[in-house]
Amino acid sequence: SQTIHQWPATLVQPVGSPLSLECTVEGTSNPNLYWYRQAAGRGLQLLFYSVGIGQISSEVPQNLSASRPQDRQFILSSKKLLLSDSGFYLCAWKPAGGSYEQYFGPGTRLTVT
Amino acid sequence: SQQGEEDPQALSIQEGENATMNCSYKTSINNLQWYRQNSGRGLVHLILIRSNEREKHSGRLRVTLDTSKKSSSLLITASRAADTASYFCATEIVYNTDKLIFGTGTRLQVFP
Repeated sequence: SQTIHQWPATLVQPVGSPLSLECTVEGTSNPNLYWYRQAAGRGLQLLFYSVGIGQISSEVPQNLSASRPQDRQFILSSKKLLLSDSGFYLCAWKPAGGSYEQYFGPGTRLTVT
Repeated sequence: SQQGEEDPQALSIQEGENATMNCSYKTSINNLQWYRQNSGRGLVHLILIRSNEREKHSGRLRVTLDTSKKSSSLLITASRAADTASYFCATEIVYNTDKLIFGTGTRLQVFP
């Protein structure tokens, strides 16, 4: 069966510090991968998605970047965090090439102080 | 504005009552999906309804889709306290199966 992991679960970082959030998927190959951000009490904002290694689509221009160095690994990064980067970050995957549901990880709660 | 917007934003009911949430969207879709999120957790997929379907059932869940009105509803029958969560609709738009656009969500509180 497939499993998606995210770490860390919680993170408190000062403004101006770098960020690296990691997401890995097990039990499937060539998945589509997604990063979402959720502000408190709000809906999900799609940040980035990837349909293959090295292929990244950016949905919202901002202070963040994403990379996919391996088939089942998706990394969200920032060189310098802003207060507005605080939120709940969710990684998700779905099988490629068709209309399927997405499977979500447990999320990372990021607080920028 | 959002591709998917749910209403109401919040709903409080007693156990045993039915809960109905609505979702409206703007562009043509391949399918519409409903997800549930418990507080502080990831989302869990509930049901997917394709654009050529009008109604779908899964256990106590009933989803309808009206493509002429660009709207969908999620009905939870005989609600339980454990149904307390946020519920989101998400649309897969035509010609792009790679991503979903999520709505703003409905927060459901079921009191025992």
